[in-house]
Amino acid sequence: AIQMTQSPSSLSASVGDRVTITCRASQGIRNDLGWYQQKPGKAPKLLIYAASSLQTGVPSRFSGSGSGTDFTLTISSLQTEDFATYYCLQDYNYPRTFGQGTKVEIK
Amino acid sequence: QVQLVESGGGVVQPGRSLRLSCVASRFTFNNYAMHWVRQAPGKGLEWVAVISDDGVNKHYADSVKGRFTISRDNSKNTLYLQMNSPRPEDTAVYYCARDRSATTGTTIGYWGQGTLVTVSS
Repeated sequence: AIQMTQSPSSLSASVGDRVTITCRASQGIRNDLGWYQQKPGKAPKLLIYAASSLQTGVPSRFSGSGSGTDFTLTISSLQTEDFATYYCLQDYNYPRTFGQGTKVEIK
Repeated sequence: QVQLVESGGGVVQPGRSLRLSCVASRFTFNNYAMHWVRQAPGKGLEWVAVISDDGVNKHYADSVKGRFTISRDNSKNTLYLQMNSPRPEDTAVYYCARDRSATTGTTIGYWGQGTLVTVSS
């Protein structure tokens, strides 16, 4: 199974900060990667698909980049509602595998 | 708006069986592959299984292979997860989820609200 290594596992940031989260695949996965946001007690929400495509309705401050093995989720200006846990998911093959998550907390 | 509503969770003893259901609405169910994803308390997301739109192709995580079975009834717009011989480590919220698009191999796009399964004697 492809391993997805996400970093950092947590970070503290302030409103207005630029935040970057990375995900590294154990083998090349083209651009077959999605990013999800999850708030406590809620289901995950898709933010980015195909590594860099913004899901409908997601604010443009979210962006994704990368291909092959290295991927990045960037929040250009952190808002209060963005404090949550973020996960990457490879959809290159089965079994699908998630990164371990990055918790974004208020500084 | 895509709607996925899970049911069937609860407390089950180790080694017994439990069947989860997910009723889908507001989209053409038989056009989409469907997944189960779980999340143990305080832990990250773990993909469990997928079934193709026609129910023919199935894939499982190694952690559940041989114990869990995914199935669907397209006439009832319903997805199932049969959990046989559950273990305490299967305790989790189980989410039903749909591929983002009807194209083969896309990422998960939509999620239900989840149903909690607790495996305990």
